[in-house]
Amino acid sequence: EPEVTQTPSHQVTQMGQEVILRCVPISNHLYFYWYRQILGQKVEFLVSFYNNEISEKSEIFDDQFSVERPDGSNFTLKIRSTKLEDSAMYFCASSEVPGGTEAFFGQGTRLTVV
Amino acid sequence: GNSVTQMEGPVTLSEEAFLTINCTYTATGYPSLFWYVQYPGEGLQLLLKATKADDKGSNKGFEATYRKETTSFHLEKGSVQVSDSAVYFCAGGDSSYKLIFGSGTRLLVRP
Repeated sequence: EPEVTQTPSHQVTQMGQEVILRCVPISNHLYFYWYRQILGQKVEFLVSFYNNEISEKSEIFDDQFSVERPDGSNFTLKIRSTKLEDSAMYFCASSEVPGGTEAFFGQGTRLTVV
Repeated sequence: GNSVTQMEGPVTLSEEAFLTINCTYTATGYPSLFWYVQYPGEGLQLLLKATKADDKGSNKGFEATYRKETTSFHLEKGSVQVSDSAVYFCAGGDSSYKLIFGSGTRLLVRP
């Protein structure tokens, strides 16, 4: 069964450092998303991406964040200068059609900023 | 904007007990509704979905019916197992590109 793959599963970084979280969406999907879940809290939407541009972003997705599809398979989330409050589980998701139908989620990357 | 509200947990049940986790939504229009499950240490997995009023989603013994009149999508299972212990998230899609999640309900099933 096709699945969304995220790497790494866990990343520890120093405050102020840049991190790149990587995702390989399901191959025939056209819509890509990043969500995050701070420990014990709800899953929050960060950004959606379609046709090589951001479709929608939340208030959380400020100038420190960027997304990119550098090739035909990868979808990345970059945090330019990490803060302690960026520590969370980051989920990548993809779907064939816009988010009103099911999105398939990856296993997540746990980011710990120290 | 759209929002999803679900009952707070944790919910603690004995094995073979009946489960209900309440979920209501507020939206313009009638969004698709979903239940996702997160097992300990794992990511989000789609459990079931319903795309229009009166649809019933079902999977692995879980069911939820999309009730337009009460704007609800309660999750039910007739007989829970220890392996059902997880966090359950209700979510709604909308005409934009994102899912709106509820706050999650932790279920603990004791043998």
